[in-house]
Amino acid sequence: DTAVSQTPKYLVTQMGNDKSIKCEQNLGHDTMYWYKQDSKKFLKIMFSYNNKELIINETVPNRFSPKSPDKAHLNLHINSLELGDSAVYFCASQYRGSYNEQFFGPGTRLTVL
Amino acid sequence: ELKVEQNPLFLSMQEGKNYTIYCNYSTTSDRLYWYRQDPGKSLESLFVLLSNGAVKQEGRLMASLDTKARLSTLHITAAVHDLSATYFCAANQAGTALIFGKGTTLSVSS
Repeated sequence: DTAVSQTPKYLVTQMGNDKSIKCEQNLGHDTMYWYKQDSKKFLKIMFSYNNKELIINETVPNRFSPKSPDKAHLNLHINSLELGDSAVYFCASQYRGSYNEQFFGPGTRLTVL
Repeated sequence: ELKVEQNPLFLSMQEGKNYTIYCNYSTTSDRLYWYRQDPGKSLESLFVLLSNGAVKQEGRLMASLDTKARLSTLHITAAVHDLSATYFCAANQAGTALIFGKGTTLSVSS
């Protein structure tokens, strides 16, 4: 059974389009994250949700909007895609405040043409 | 603001030799993590270090934490080809997002 899953795995789209990435975890965790990994492999936090509540919102363009319909799901919607949005987006989950590691999804490779 | 620095960023290793990756962090952190990433893959958790002096070992990898020096090390014993990957250290405070180092890409040659 997949612990943290993301769809789609690959996403190729044109500049200016709107797209969504979905994430689901079946670990019963209460906190979920979106990270962005750029072409130099640098990983940076974008958002975090705890029990459907936004708790971290880093300096990210407001074209990016996360949504958490329940604590097992965290989606990322991106409006007006730009070339610089091309990256790999990772979802992760964890028990907030726990000493356990964060579990990462397989990633979604977004390519904006 | 918590910052994490790793060095070296690239490490070309010879099979059978020992190497160390260093991870420094700038402010107090509750815990230190090591992850492995193979090309095109996700991040796999290797170690979680919770307290000063913590040492964890798995196979040829051993991680340690010195909270006074704000330093963690990942020691590789007798490198083998299977260890070729990118290794990230990360730190955080309870319940917050991970702050990652830039990663160390290891390449093992015979």
